[in-house]
Amino acid sequence: DAGVIQSPRHEVTEMGQEVTLRCKPISGHNSLFWYRQTMMRGLELLIYFNNNVPIDDSGMPEDRFSAKMPNASFSTLKIQPSEPRDSAVYFCASSLDWAGGSDTQYFGPGTRLTVL
Amino acid sequence: GDSVTQMEGPVTLSEEAFLTINCTYTATGYPSLFWYVQYPGEGLQLLLKATKADDKGSNKGFEATYRKETTSFHLEKGSVQVSDSAVYFCALSVGMDSSYKLIFGSGTRLLVRP
Repeated sequence: DAGVIQSPRHEVTEMGQEVTLRCKPISGHNSLFWYRQTMMRGLELLIYFNNNVPIDDSGMPEDRFSAKMPNASFSTLKIQPSEPRDSAVYFCASSLDWAGGSDTQYFGPGTRLTVL
Repeated sequence: GDSVTQMEGPVTLSEEAFLTINCTYTATGYPSLFWYVQYPGEGLQLLLKATKADDKGSNKGFEATYRKETTSFHLEKGSVQVSDSAVYFCALSVGMDSSYKLIFGSGTRLLVRP
């Protein structure tokens, strides 16, 4: 079975440019999560969706970040404009049934973003 | 607030040594507890979990017991292998009314030498 698919795997861009990260969750999973991993702050939840609806976006750093889930098989995380401090590894994860907070989350391989 | 504290790494062991990685937590209510593992260049994978006090999670020779009295969930393995070298994250799940989030510790890097 295909796991969580993320693209691109690596992205290098210049400050001020728009960046779009993409995620395809595991088929049949109804929850999707976006995380950011940095040395300084560790692993942080940015936003998560349940049945394509955003449930908790309290981790989204600021208005420059936005996330969408137009259907059950696709989500995007957009940064506009990007800044050097956005450099990090961004992970997407999905879960079959996260409603009770105890199900397994399956992580994608991540997108390493470098903003120059 | 809710948080997870893990022992600082890196932890360096010889093959077949006994492993303990300490994890303590602060949380309101009764969280579920998890250990995730991250191999180089990969995303995190669930290693084991426990959803209530005194539960023991186990997988691939790793074990952890949910201790409510000491608010701990220490990871143990009796005999580590070189292939166990990775970063290990302790995490707890907090929330209510179908809105939960995972809070991760800072991770502990394990290096096993042949």
